[in-house]
Amino acid sequence: DVKVTQSSRYLVKRTGEKVFLECVQDMDHENMFWYRQDPGLGLRLIYFSYDVKMKEKGDIPEGYSVSREKKERFSLILESASTNQTSMYLCASAGGYYGYTFGSGTRLTVV
Amino acid sequence: QKEVEQDPGPLSVPEGAIVSLNCTYSNSAFQYFMWYRQYSRKGPELLMYTYSSGNKEDGRFTAQVDKSSKYISLFIRDSQPSDSATYLCAMTILTGGGNKLTFGTGTQLKVEL
Repeated sequence: DVKVTQSSRYLVKRTGEKVFLECVQDMDHENMFWYRQDPGLGLRLIYFSYDVKMKEKGDIPEGYSVSREKKERFSLILESASTNQTSMYLCASAGGYYGYTFGSGTRLTVV
Repeated sequence: QKEVEQDPGPLSVPEGAIVSLNCTYSNSAFQYFMWYRQYSRKGPELLMYTYSSGNKEDGRFTAQVDKSSKYISLFIRDSQPSDSATYLCAMTILTGGGNKLTFGTGTQLKVEL
């Protein structure tokens, strides 16, 4: 089975900090995604990548950036964390049209 | 208007009931449809996928797609307490790259003993 691993389950950061969320997948998938999930708003796409060093903005990229230096690793960066970025962050990978495989999520709290 | 609409629930049913979960969508270009299940404090997991109108069965689960009405459903037969979770519909356009999914907001289901 494909495994998508997110480095942290829970994080607490201070306003203004630079935050790195790491995601690693083990099935050589080309496509990787970062979503945030909020009650009532569902899953919203932040950024995605369809190849190494390639990235595309999703629906809500403001305040975020990403890095994909290796195929298996896709990092989400919060340049200067703010309280409205408190959320559940989900990473996913996909190798075709058979749906995504998600990680377990990182619950980030910005205080 | 959102591209994909899904009733958030919560939906509470007794064990053994038949559950119907539904999504409507506005973009007729969507071709590929999926249902995900998400347990509390976990990431979503793929339950079923289909790209044609009609029904697809997998055990106690049936996915139904009606492209003419832009309506998809997930039926759960003989529901169990272990089915208690949030169910998300998702859909995509087959463009050959990127494979972006558009998700519904999810329906919270509770199956009670």
